[in-house]
Amino acid sequence: GQNIDQPTEMTATEGAIVQINCTYQTSGFNGLFWYQQHAGEAPTFLSYNVLDGLEEKGRFSSFLSRSKGYSYLLLKELQMKDSASYLCAVMDSNYQLIWGAGTKLIIKP
Amino acid sequence: GAVVSQHPSRVICKSGTSVKIECRSLDFQATTMFWYRQFPKKSLMLMATSNEGSKATYEQGVEKDKFLINHASLTLSTLTVTSAHPEDSSFYICSASIPGTESHGYTFGSGTRLTVV
Repeated sequence: GQNIDQPTEMTATEGAIVQINCTYQTSGFNGLFWYQQHAGEAPTFLSYNVLDGLEEKGRFSSFLSRSKGYSYLLLKELQMKDSASYLCAVMDSNYQLIWGAGTKLIIKP
Repeated sequence: GAVVSQHPSRVICKSGTSVKIECRSLDFQATTMFWYRQFPKKSLMLMATSNEGSKATYEQGVEKDKFLINHASLTLSTLTVTSAHPEDSSFYICSASIPGTESHGYTFGSGTRLTVV
């Protein structure tokens, strides 16, 4: 079956760095997405990786290793507004998105 | 950028009534619209995929007679929850693929919080 695993919850301190991991097993691979979702709101797009390596976008970076079925989202200089759920999603061979359950990130002052 | 407008954002209805949720693509043509459902602290669950001018494709376990999807134009897709029950209370989100983007990006509606009492 298809499976996306990510931690349920993480806690970090304002100003610090946090890494949210995602491992996947899917039928084919056509890219991996990271989304941010605040409570009660729709997800917003953060990043897309289809090739191995690190993609940096401001305070957020996303890494992909296709051979390991592994990705991480790195958040630097954490701000209180970064408190949200972070969803990992993989596009399979049928171009269908398979979603992880999300990681709730709690930022403490 | 590509925007999908979803209405209503919140709705409370009585058991047995029907509720219609609309998603409109404002500045692009959405040939395909995805409808998701999300329970608290759970992953987004794909309910169905709708293509303009054709019948929607429903995921296994989703009742097509209960969740009616219409995609009559390239800018409008609707989800109607018929004969709603309290267990249908959930967060419903639509999403459309953004045409012409290298990253096969998706844009999401703002979601509809449905409460059935």
